Amino acid sequence: GQNIDQPTEMTATEGAIVQINCTYQTSGFNGLFWYQQHAGEAPTFLSYNVLDGLEEKGRFSSFLSRSKGYSYLLLKELQMKDSASYLCAVRSNAGNMLTFGGGTRLMVKP
Amino acid sequence: NAGVTQTPKFRVLKTGQSMTLLCAQDMNHEYMYWYRQDPGMGLRLIHYSVGEGTTAKGEVPDGYNVSRLKKQNFLLGLESAAPSQTSVYFCASGDWTLAKNIQYFGAGTRLSVL
Repeated sequence: GQNIDQPTEMTATEGAIVQINCTYQTSGFNGLFWYQQHAGEAPTFLSYNVLDGLEEKGRFSSFLSRSKGYSYLLLKELQMKDSASYLCAVRSNAGNMLTFGGGTRLMVKP
Repeated sequence: NAGVTQTPKFRVLKTGQSMTLLCAQDMNHEYMYWYRQDPGMGLRLIHYSVGEGTTAKGEVPDGYNVSRLKKQNFLLGLESAAPSQTSVYFCASGDWTLAKNIQYFGAGTRLSVL
């Protein structure tokens, strides 16, 4: 089976930097995804890591360490519109399925 | 650009009633998925399909059935609804040809079973 842990809630200030951590245990790792989900809306893809290291995309970056079963999503220059839930998901070798963590609800305050 | 479309958006059922949720995608994706999302539990996979005419069970399949008669459509059925099936249901589609197989989600169906 798979186990994915991420904090339930985080609060940060507009313009600041926030790091959302995700730890996982899986049999047969085959990629880690981050999705953003605004309240009442569909999840949308943010980033993908399959090799160790940092992937940067504008204000958002995602890091992966396969040996530690650890990833983080880094959000820079926070904006009010970044208030949302951030979902960490792991894909295993056993089929093309994702297992999602419970999500981290980020609140950005002025 | 419709992407993934789910119907209906909202539904209220009484215990024991049946219904079908429809998911349609216009991206020619091979893979389609049905998830449910409950507070504090994240997205859980109900059933999925790797191509037309195929279906497979996910993490929480009990009480649901699915069909994939056409590549673009994936139906989720509840034969006898129970209050425990009150949830938000999301459909997603994806394609391995891009290696990453990013899943694209529909807007969701909010179902209440009384």
